[in-house]
Amino acid sequence: ILNVEQSPQSLHVQEGDSTNFTCSFPSSNFYALHWYRWETAKSPEALFVMTLNGDEKKKGRISATLNTKEGYSYLYIKGSQPEDSATYLCAFMGSNYQLIWGAGTKLIIKP
Amino acid sequence: GAVVSQHPSRVICKSGTSVKIECRSLDFQATTMFWYRQFPKQSLMLMATSNEGSKATYEQGVEKDKFLINHASLTLSTLTVTSAHPEDSSFYICSARAHSILDQPQHFGDGTRLSIL
Repeated sequence: ILNVEQSPQSLHVQEGDSTNFTCSFPSSNFYALHWYRWETAKSPEALFVMTLNGDEKKKGRISATLNTKEGYSYLYIKGSQPEDSATYLCAFMGSNYQLIWGAGTKLIIKP
Repeated sequence: GAVVSQHPSRVICKSGTSVKIECRSLDFQATTMFWYRQFPKQSLMLMATSNEGSKATYEQGVEKDKFLINHASLTLSTLTVTSAHPEDSSFYICSARAHSILDQPQHFGDGTRLSIL
């Protein structure tokens, strides 16, 4: 059974602080790793699609790294703002091209 | 760009009712659409994948006669929950992929909260 784990489950961060969280996925048959942000009452929004081991992607204050050999990806948020409050989902795509989703990390930014 | 509209956003109905949920890609052609179900505090669970003009591919354990999926055009897919019962109460969300290139992101609707009394 393929498993995608995200940790922590939830996280409270003071506004202005930087933070990061983890997505663990199978280290075999890797094709791609997706990150999405899901704000309350909105639809999930794609952040990154990562395919290469060692890749690092950046979008404003948010960045992500990928280690396919050990099966993990980190998402970093620099200088957290209230609008960063959301659930961050990762999804693993293996060689069967199906996405397997983690349960998400719920991030709450305290003003 | 890449907007997906899903409705209704919320349905409350009696047991035995059939419920249809629509998923539309508004500004792109979706070759593939996905239907997910989410239980509280759990991951998105893929129910089925639909490609325009062909039968949907259902995941193991998902009853195709219970959850009817139609993807009649490149911009519209529908999920019909037939003769819904309280155990079908859940959050259902669709997504669409614009290209046949597999590592493109999915674009999501806002989801439908289904409550069966």
